[in-house]
Amino acid sequence: QKEVEQNSGPLSVPEGAIASLNCTYSDRGSQSFFWYRQYSGKSPELIMSIYSNGDKEDGRFTAQLNKASQYVSLLIRDSQPSDSATYLCAVNNYGQNFVFGPGTRLSVLP
Amino acid sequence: GAVVSQHPSWVICKSGTSVKIECRSLDFQATTMFWYRQFPKQSLMLMATSNEGSKATYEQGVEKDKFLINHASLTLSTLTVTSAHPEDSSFYICSASDSWGTQYFGPGTRLLVL
Repeated sequence: QKEVEQNSGPLSVPEGAIASLNCTYSDRGSQSFFWYRQYSGKSPELIMSIYSNGDKEDGRFTAQLNKASQYVSLLIRDSQPSDSATYLCAVNNYGQNFVFGPGTRLSVLP
Repeated sequence: GAVVSQHPSWVICKSGTSVKIECRSLDFQATTMFWYRQFPKQSLMLMATSNEGSKATYEQGVEKDKFLINHASLTLSTLTVTSAHPEDSSFYICSASDSWGTQYFGPGTRLLVL
């Protein structure tokens, strides 16, 4: 079983819609969770970090964490074509492991 | 936010030469830095984890004698691709980890070996 799983996509949503990106992880000891965005040909950029169960909002982005279900998601409201990128989920167990998922390709259609 | 720089951003070299890439954390101290490689349309591949003052830990299949990593200070790590060949052409990306364990990525270095 892979440690961090994501649907590879592409996930296509129309402009203005909500894009929902999902991630599951296998290590119950994981303590911090991250979402990165990577545009084609560029390096990853940190969007959100979340450490506690529940929702964390930052502008159009909302990260959701459910440790019992070992599930973390990223919602992008009012999606724009400029949000089209690959979104990487990452999970960290302090001092042990920092693991990236394979990424989900998001395409926002104008 | 934390800033990580990489230099150079582009390298074109002849086969057989060595190339050094620098990774710096500009506004924080990074006890751990990571080196990744990414081929077109593929996922990030972790090459090695580098801790300041100690030897790097290489991922399986990564030749430590070919990809030399030096992490001499809390703000600088270097990757040297020795005797580069065309198959080493790739996008090399470093990241630095802050005290909370968050990784911040450099902008990457494109290497083209002719």
